[in-house]
Amino acid sequence: ETGVTQSPTHLIKTRGQQVTLRCSSQSGHNTVSWYQQALGQGPQFIFQYYREEENGRGNFPPRFSGLQFPNYSSELNVNALELDDSALYLCASSSQLAPQETQYFGPGTRLLVL
Amino acid sequence: AQSVTQLGSHVSVSEGALVLLRCNYSSSVPPYLFWYVQYPNQGLQLLLKYTSAATLVKGINGFEAEFKKSETSFHLTKPSAHMSDAAEFFCAVRGNYGGSQGNLIFGKGTKLSVKP
Repeated sequence: ETGVTQSPTHLIKTRGQQVTLRCSSQSGHNTVSWYQQALGQGPQFIFQYYREEENGRGNFPPRFSGLQFPNYSSELNVNALELDDSALYLCASSSQLAPQETQYFGPGTRLLVL
Repeated sequence: AQSVTQLGSHVSVSEGALVLLRCNYSSSVPPYLFWYVQYPNQGLQLLLKYTSAATLVKGINGFEAEFKKSETSFHLTKPSAHMSDAAEFFCAVRGNYGGSQGNLIFGKGTKLSVKP
């Protein structure tokens, strides 16, 4: 069974640029959530996708957007990058939309905005 | 609204000593609670979760946590620390599952150091 994978592992961008991060969910999982983890902080929920539809969003501006594909993989897009967007971006997948369901995390993509 | 508070950003114990990492939660609905561990430069790994069954939950690597509703706590313990336990630990509560059933609300984390 393949776990959650993310690409790229590291990325350096400059202010104002756009970035796309990718996530492949664990086999059999139809739900993907994205989190931002700033240095020294706990992860913060960005949004969740369930069967290709956005199913909840945290307190992030619209320049953070996402997609989920028919194979349940997902992308996180960030436009007009700001210095404060520098963080570890984590993707998590789960097998169903239930509150007790475990979310399985990928290794993350570390984004540095200069 | 749900929230989690982890007391102590850094805990240091000697190898073989008891590990106690504190977590208090606030939730307007019966909570689902999780402990995750993060090793350097890695993602999060689930240690254990409380889903309203037994109040004492056993997890991987010898960790366990006890749900105490009267104290709104879900502290993580391990009887005897190993050097390999050094990592950062996050307590999380499930968000408002009346709406989005997906989001976890995390504490700020507790970094565990284990001295030889």
